[in-house]
Parts: sequence; C-alpha cells; structure tokens
Amino acid sequence: EAQVTQNPRYLITVTGKKLTVTCSQNMNHEYMSWYRQDPGLGLRQIYYSMNVEVTDKGDVPEGYKVSRKEKRNFPLILESPSPNQTSLYFCASLSLWPRGTEAFFGQGTRLTVV
Amino acid sequence: AQSVTQLDSQVPVFEEAPVELRCNYSSSVSVYLFWYVQYPNQGLQLLLKYLSGSTLVKGINGFEAEFNKSQTSFHLRKPSVHISDTAEYFCAVQNSGGSNYKLTFGKGTLLTVNP
Repeated sequence: EAQVTQNPRYLITVTGKKLTVTCSQNMNHEYMSWYRQDPGLGLRQIYYSMNVEVTDKGDVPEGYKVSRKEKRNFPLILESPSPNQTSLYFCASLSLWPRGTEAFFGQGTRLTVV
Repeated sequence: AQSVTQLDSQVPVFEEAPVELRCNYSSSVSVYLFWYVQYPNQGLQLLLKYLSGSTLVKGINGFEAEFNKSQTSFHLRKPSVHISDTAEYFCAVQNSGGSNYKLTFGKGTLLTVNP
C-alpha cells in the first residue's frame, strides 16, 4: 500500500528542547515536502526536497531544518522549538519522473510547544 | 506568485441538499488545480484535479468541479451530500511547468452536514 508515514502523531514538548519529526514514504518519490497547518491559514510549505541531498526553503522555513540522506526519509528538525511552532504538521511526497500530479500526505503530527 | 481564495470558511448544509464550495485563484502562469479533503484527525486526500482538457472534472465520492479560466475559479459541487461528507475541504494550485512543485492552498472550507 502506497503511504507516507509520520511519527509521532502527537507530541508535547517544552520550549528549547530539540525534536525531530520523522517522515517516510514507500513510493520511491523524488519530491518530498513539509507543510504546517494553522487555523484560518490553510497549509503553508516549510521546506521541500527535489531528491537526495537537495533541499530548499519553502514559505515559512524559520526555526526549522531538514535533511534528505535517503530517498525515502525526510525528517523535520526543530533545534529550539518555541510556542509559535505549535501546529499540525504534514509531510507529503510526489513523483517527478514521470511527473506526478497527486501529492500523497501523511496522517499529520500535532505538535504543542509549552 | 500564486494565491488561492476560498470564499467561505464554513458551510453548513442539511443532508441530501446540494452544496457548492467556492474557490478562486490568482496566478501569472499556467496552473494545475486541485481539491483535497481532510476528514477529522486524518491527512489530506485528493478529491479531484484539473490538468487540462474538459473543464468539468469528476472526483471521488460524487464530487465534481468546474474550471472557469475567465473567472479564474474552480468551484466544487455535489448534488446531494451525506453526513459522511462532513470534513474540511482545501482548494490548491500548482505550477504546471517549471521546477516548482509546491502546492499553494486556500485557507479551507469546513463543510458540516446536518441530519
């Protein structure tokens, strides 16, 4: 079954404590991306990756890091989380060759920073 | 730059009534258009998409949408809704060419179907 898996689904942490949200896809997709969803704002792109070792900033990258060492994995790293990063996070993947037009989303990670 | 406007943040309807969720977009380049649905506590699922060709596209669960280039709209419709259609619906656009595959989303429309 084609899927994007995020972990954890729920996370409560304290300000400044480094955390990583993992994302893995089993479809051999080249393109992966992270979005955050906030009430009344929709989804906004944080970072994306076109392939292994190729990453770039999205619209709201401040306070986040990513890495793409393997094609299937694209972790999101918060080095020093702050309360304004409390949000619902989604990982997504998309095929580039051949070009896909359907992005597959994970189940989401609800992060609370206190 | 692209932008997507979903004109209604909430749409309450009764079961078996028709519904239309409105979406307008702005883009200086050619785009693909999408509707995604998010059920409670779940990720986003593709409902339907417009890439080219016929302006009326049909999706899953009886939904359809019509692309109107002159009005830059992509409204979602269903002739008769069910309780199970209660969810948040997102309209999104993506460049149809180039190397930018980012989805630009609207703010979402919460559809609540009441018995």
